[in-house]
Amino acid sequence: TQLLEQSPQFLSIQEGENLTVYCNSSSVFSSLQWYRQEPGEGPVLLVTVVTGGEVKKLKRLTFQFGDARKDSSLHITAAQPGDTGLYLCAGAFETSYDKVIFGPGTSLSVIP
Amino acid sequence: DTGVSQDPRHKITKRGQNVTFRCDPISEHNRLYWYRQTLGQGPEFLTYFQNEAQLEKSRLLSDRFSAERPKGSFSTLEIQRTEQGDSAMYLCASSFRGPMDEQFFGPGTRLTVL
Repeated sequence: TQLLEQSPQFLSIQEGENLTVYCNSSSVFSSLQWYRQEPGEGPVLLVTVVTGGEVKKLKRLTFQFGDARKDSSLHITAAQPGDTGLYLCAGAFETSYDKVIFGPGTSLSVIP
Repeated sequence: DTGVSQDPRHKITKRGQNVTFRCDPISEHNRLYWYRQTLGQGPEFLTYFQNEAQLEKSRLLSDRFSAERPKGSFSTLEIQRTEQGDSAMYLCASSFRGPMDEQFFGPGTRLTVL
């Protein structure tokens, strides 16, 4: 069974602070995505990473894919209230390419 | 609006009743996925279609659940004899090709079974 774990489950920070959230699995990802979901809406894709060790930046967000492709992190610099939401990682595995498995998410609240 | 749409947005039903949800994907997308999401959890995969063919069903999808995608366009998800444990947000997503193509999600249908 391929499971994704995310940590922390909840995070509440002040505006301007930096934060990092994590996603990991005991299985190797063929690729991994990060989504953000706001209340009452569906998830929206932020990034897809494919290569071990890959780093992608999206404005204040930095995504890193582990060398062994079993883990990933999302770092947010100078968090803003608009970053509030549920951050989900979703992985495709080499043994089940046709679907992705979502993690339980990290619920981020940025307080003005 | 050319995004994924779902109807209805909210559904309240009594235990034992049947419900049907509709999803209209982005028109040029071949793949359509159904997920279920409960509070505090990520979306759980239920099933997916490649055009009109249903290619995989999760073990979560009991025989009370059925999904169709006639003509490879819109899709419906029906739940028969609803139970309180079916209460959740049901999300539909579409993508052009495989799952690692960007999945565009609809706003979901929130089901409450009383």
